[in-house]
Amino acid sequence: EIVLTQSPGTLSLSPGERATLSCRASQSVSRSYLAWYQQKPGQPPRLLIYDVSSRATGVPDRFSGSGSATDFTLTISGLEAEDFAVYYCQQYGSAPITFGQGTRLDIK
Amino acid sequence: EVQLVESGGGLVKPGGSLRLSCAASGFTFSSCSMTWVRQAPGKGLEWISSISGNSNSIYYADSMKGRFTISRDNAKNSLYLQMNSLRAEDTAIYYCTRRGITVPTYDYWGQGTLVTVSS
Repeated sequence: EIVLTQSPGTLSLSPGERATLSCRASQSVSRSYLAWYQQKPGQPPRLLIYDVSSRATGVPDRFSGSGSATDFTLTISGLEAEDFAVYYCQQYGSAPITFGQGTRLDIK
Repeated sequence: EVQLVESGGGLVKPGGSLRLSCAASGFTFSSCSMTWVRQAPGKGLEWISSISGNSNSIYYADSMKGRFTISRDNAKNSLYLQMNSLRAEDTAIYYCTRRGITVPTYDYWGQGTLVTVSS
């Protein structure tokens, strides 16, 4: 099973700043099958990024994904109020599908 | 508009059973693999089980194998999860998700249904 470790656990930033979230895999993620989700309280997760760097439909271009093999990054440039949430990475290249433990992005 | 609506959650005693349902609309249900994912209170996401569009391929997380059974009825555009021998640690919100047609992961999620296992 591929274990995904996200860091930091909590990130406190101000609106307008740049957020950099990390996801490290215990082994190489097959076929770049790495996604990022955003979850707000009381809501289901929302797909932001798939295949490492492809934005899902309707996702603003301030969200971008990068990385390869075992190290991946979600970058949010110019934080807006609605971006403060919990973010999860997910690998779907190897069974079982696994998620990271999440990074909470808080308003500073 | 794609919609996934879960139902069937509730309070159940340890050792009990529950059947969750997910009603799908707004897309060709039989063309999509479907998955159940759960989230314990205040915790992260856990993949439970997936089923292909024609039900020929079914996968389970090891911790759920033998207790949970996924199924679907394409004529009714519905996905199911039969949960037996429930434990306190199965307490969670259970989400129904769709593997996208052009996106190789979960592009739509239901709002979830809460399952509480407690005596």
